[in-house]
Formats: sequence, structure tokens, C-alpha cells
Amino acid sequence: QVQLVESGGGVVQPGKSLRLSCLASGFTFSNYGMHWVRQAPGKGLEWVAVIWFEGGSNTYYVDSVKGRFTISRDNSKNILYLDMSNVRVEDTAIYYCARDRFVNTAMTSPFDSWGQGTLVTVSS
Amino acid sequence: DIALTQSPDSLAVSLGERATINCKSSQSVLFTNDKNYLAWYQQKPGQPPKLLIYWASTRESGVPDRFSGSGSGTDFTLTISSLQAEDVAVYYCQQYYSTPPYTFGQGTRLEIK
Repeated sequence: QVQLVESGGGVVQPGKSLRLSCLASGFTFSNYGMHWVRQAPGKGLEWVAVIWFEGGSNTYYVDSVKGRFTISRDNSKNILYLDMSNVRVEDTAIYYCARDRFVNTAMTSPFDSWGQGTLVTVSS
Repeated sequence: DIALTQSPDSLAVSLGERATINCKSSQSVLFTNDKNYLAWYQQKPGQPPKLLIYWASTRESGVPDRFSGSGSGTDFTLTISSLQAEDVAVYYCQQYYSTPPYTFGQGTRLEIK
């Protein structure tokens, strides 16, 4: 069955860096677009970034993280990454990785599989 | 960017009664292929979201048929025809129209009356 397991969260000081990982299993990882979605404590969902199944330069970000976060993937290891730099207090959230519903297509898609999330706390 | 506004923010419904949640988009999410790029998710406490509905009205596999989606263009509705105890959750709409960002509504908290 499809499984997504995030790791790498923790407490980090403002201005520092952190790398999140999402290990995928149970499906052909390279065939799916992958996303990061975050949820601040007690708040709603915020889409953060996407990397299409082709990887490479096919990435998009929410404006609030552009220039600070980088999404990437290693299709040989079935891992999705989110490199977070110059983090801010407002980046504090649970970070979920999520998979596109539709496989191997340029058509945009909802998210049909989610990990349990990893908590990032930005605090001095 | 497309903004989604859900109403109400919270809702209390008796068991067995109908629950209705609305989602209004700041611009049309109806594409030239005649599909509405609008999804609904359910999130229970301590769990990640679960996809319920996509293309505004297509139920995801395994989702009970008491859940249904309707609407087109800018106005959408999620209906639970007969509320069950396990439906207590926060519900989100999301648009995945064209270029990101793929925004979510602010969420609607559904409780038992």
C-alpha cells in the first residue's frame, strides 16, 4: 500500500536551516507529482511547494517561501526533500508530504495520499 | 492567486441529519475540458487530511456515498446526507486549477449537535 513517511522536523532557531525528507513506498515514485503542505498549530492547511514527476526545474512555491525553501526529489531512493533556509517563526507547522492523485500526467491533481507529518518549530 | 472562502466556519448537526458546507472561489475553477478543479478533504484530530471528492463531484474510492459534492464555476457544496458520529472533523475545499499555488479554504469544523 502507498506509504509516505516524513522526517527531519524539530526545533530550529530563526535564520537557520533544516532539511525535511519524505520516504515513499508502495508505488512508482518517479511517476507522480509530489507536494509539501503545512499546517500551523490549530490552523488550516497551506500548500507550500510542488515538484512534478519529471523533477528538475518543474517546481512551484507559495510566495511566502520563495527564495528560502527548495523542493527536490531523488527518484532512485524514493525520497522527497524540502530544504528550508532562513526559517522564520511563522514557518512553525506540521509539514506533510502528499502525492498527486493522477499518475504521469501534466494535468493538475488533488492529493490522494498524505504522510503523518513532521513538526517544525522555529523558536529562539 | 485564487482564494477560497468556506461557510460556515463551524457547524453542529444532529446525528442522521444533513450537513452542508459551502465553498466560494474568487475566480472560476471550471477549465476548458468542462471539469471543475475543486476537491474536498476531511481531517480528523491528529490525522492528515483525507481526499473525499475531486472534480467537484467525483467521490474518491472507498468514500461512503453519504458524501457528495456539487457546484460549478465559483460556488461549490459538500453535503453529508445523514451525519454519522465518525464524520466529526474539519472539512477543507481546495482548488488545483492551472498554475500553483493550490489554495485551500479556511476549513469548516463539523460537530454533533
